[in-house]
Amino acid sequence: SAVISQKPSRDICQRGTSLTIQCQVDSQVTMMFWYRQQPGQSLTLIATANQGSEATYESGFVIDKFPISRPNLTFSTLTVSNMSPEDSSIYLCSVILAGAYEQYFGPGTRLTVT
Amino acid sequence: AQSVTQPDIHITVSEGASLELRCNYSYGATPYLFWYVQSPGQGLQLLLKYFSGDTLVQGIKGFEAEFKRSQSSFNLRKPSVHWSDAAEYFCAVGASTNFGNEKLTFGTGTRLTIIP
Repeated sequence: SAVISQKPSRDICQRGTSLTIQCQVDSQVTMMFWYRQQPGQSLTLIATANQGSEATYESGFVIDKFPISRPNLTFSTLTVSNMSPEDSSIYLCSVILAGAYEQYFGPGTRLTVT
Repeated sequence: AQSVTQPDIHITVSEGASLELRCNYSYGATPYLFWYVQSPGQGLQLLLKYFSGDTLVQGIKGFEAEFKRSQSSFNLRKPSVHWSDAAEYFCAVGASTNFGNEKLTFGTGTRLTIIP
């Protein structure tokens, strides 16, 4: 297993601002992902974070709204830009560890936009 | 495209009773199947997974699940629940690609309540 940390754990932000969420893993990973969990809902994949190149976004998610970076194998950031109350969600990163096939999730970042 | 159905939104079980949470999937090829648990305010913890082989898989915390291809199901079971099992349970299916599961699709979840 691995330790997956996310910062911040929670935040309250004003509409129109941006928040950058960090995800750090203490082991070698092959893939990293970002998910959104809206209140009372299931998880939806936002994008796959690719090392050294642009992220691969799922339908309904765009880079201008959710820019993602992954400068190395074990670290990624997700920015939620120009926030509105509809962006209030839990944002989770997940990873596939080297030699494994299943995804492990970080503790999540609970974002409230007022 | 794959999909997952968890028909039970909320289940209430007495402590010590047995539990079965239902999961049905839709996927054209051999699926990779997972159960995750989310306690209040927490991230997701992997309970168990099925990739191939024995259709009855054992997981952590005394949970097991059985893959039934003919029924497109992957139900989660536990013979005796504990109060600490109260949580939200998510079934997920992954596309069989090079790494196995880049495209994880989650069900809507089943909230489990345990009563004394």
